[in-house]
Amino acid sequence: DTGVSQDPRHKITKRGQNVTFRCDPISEHNRLYWYRQTLGQGPEFLTYFQNEAQLEKSRLLSDRFSAERPKGSFSTLEIQRTEQGDSAMYLCASSSTGTGGGNEQFFGPGTRLTVL
Amino acid sequence: AQKVTQAQTEISVVEKEDVTLDCVYETRDTTYYLFWYKQPPSGELVFLIRRNSFDEQNEISGRYSWNFQKSTSSFNFTITASQVVDSAVYFCALIEPPNYGGSQGNLIFGKGTKLSVKP
Repeated sequence: DTGVSQDPRHKITKRGQNVTFRCDPISEHNRLYWYRQTLGQGPEFLTYFQNEAQLEKSRLLSDRFSAERPKGSFSTLEIQRTEQGDSAMYLCASSSTGTGGGNEQFFGPGTRLTVL
Repeated sequence: AQKVTQAQTEISVVEKEDVTLDCVYETRDTTYYLFWYKQPPSGELVFLIRRNSFDEQNEISGRYSWNFQKSTSSFNFTITASQVVDSAVYFCALIEPPNYGGSQGNLIFGKGTKLSVKP
């Protein structure tokens, strides 16, 4: 199966610790997105890569968050000094470029973060 | 501003009933894309349909159908003869693509409608 994969699926951490999540997109997709979803809400955009370039960051992405996609393949999202408000599902999605920029995004299973 | 509104928070139906999920959107441009995603209890978002703003034809796929009306900025989703496996949260989403002055193509989601289909 060549869908989007994320690791880990669940992460429990104590407040103040750093955590890192990994996303492996569909291999031929050059666009990669990170979203955050809290209970009862729709996913909210965090950041976006085209190949290895991070082209956009949401205002939701505080200085404690950093994302990389070093070789234009997998991506990592790191949260430093976690806070209880960071508890959420972190979703990764990928898409091809295509024309018009409105290609469908395919999502991974998400990483559920719980900050105690 | 771009916005997607799903006014129905939760809907409960009995199996075999038809159900329509409403979606109203706001956008500043004439070129945009609309989507529906399904999120079952397992949590993974599943792509259902994409529709561009120039194609107002309704679409049917099996028991699913979509009604796109630009005049009312709505993109409603109907499930015919619902089944228990349809139970999930359904999200409507919007993209204003970057080629047309929008963002870099990130999805703007509504808050979702939780559909429960009882046997």
